[in-house]
Amino acid sequence: TQLLEQSPQFLSIQEGENLTVYCNSSSVFSSLQWYRQEPGEGPVLLVTVVTGGEVKKLKRLTFQFGDARKDSSLHITAAQPGDTGLYLCAGTRIKAAGNKLTFGGGTRVLVKP
Amino acid sequence: GAGVSQSPSNKVTEKGKDVELRCDPISGHTALYWYRQSLGQGLEFLIYFQGNSAPDKSGLPSDRFSAERTGGSVSTLTIQRTQQEDSAVYLCASSAARGYEQYFGPGTRLTVT
Repeated sequence: TQLLEQSPQFLSIQEGENLTVYCNSSSVFSSLQWYRQEPGEGPVLLVTVVTGGEVKKLKRLTFQFGDARKDSSLHITAAQPGDTGLYLCAGTRIKAAGNKLTFGGGTRVLVKP
Repeated sequence: GAGVSQSPSNKVTEKGKDVELRCDPISGHTALYWYRQSLGQGLEFLIYFQGNSAPDKSGLPSDRFSAERTGGSVSTLTIQRTQQEDSAVYLCASSAARGYEQYFGPGTRLTVT
């Protein structure tokens, strides 16, 4: 069992549809990040959330950090084929050494034109 | 400025051989991390360097794995007597001393035959 559980593992939708990816844990995190990774590349940071209940928007992407800082969600509105990729959530646990990140298992998103 | 670079981008080796993977972090970043990613899955933490402090080796899967960081910059991950289960993408990331954000390199794809 992973410390950070992502769901769903795979999502295939048509261009223009909305989607939500979830990241859940029983542990509290001091911060949580979302990354997108494309084949053959390293993950690229999309957003960092640090305050319980925080909502951040990045164009068509909306990120929310749960009030208790144990969960997060990523919502994409009107998805585009360019949104296709592996979405990873990662958290820094309370009292973790440095900023060591714990990653979820990833959600593979496919947006079909 | 330049991002995190890793070399080689691909490495194929025979079971039992030793391999060295290199990471050049972003200039000025004092923290450096190594992760392993198996077949489009989430990332598994391996080792963390912060400045001149002793590295956090808690994620290394066996004593065949070791890493060093010379001069507070370049890092080398060494895998001795490679096994087929070592096949994965090895990712390096760096971050500023007190920053949350980690910036990833493109990874080295290791295949052990």
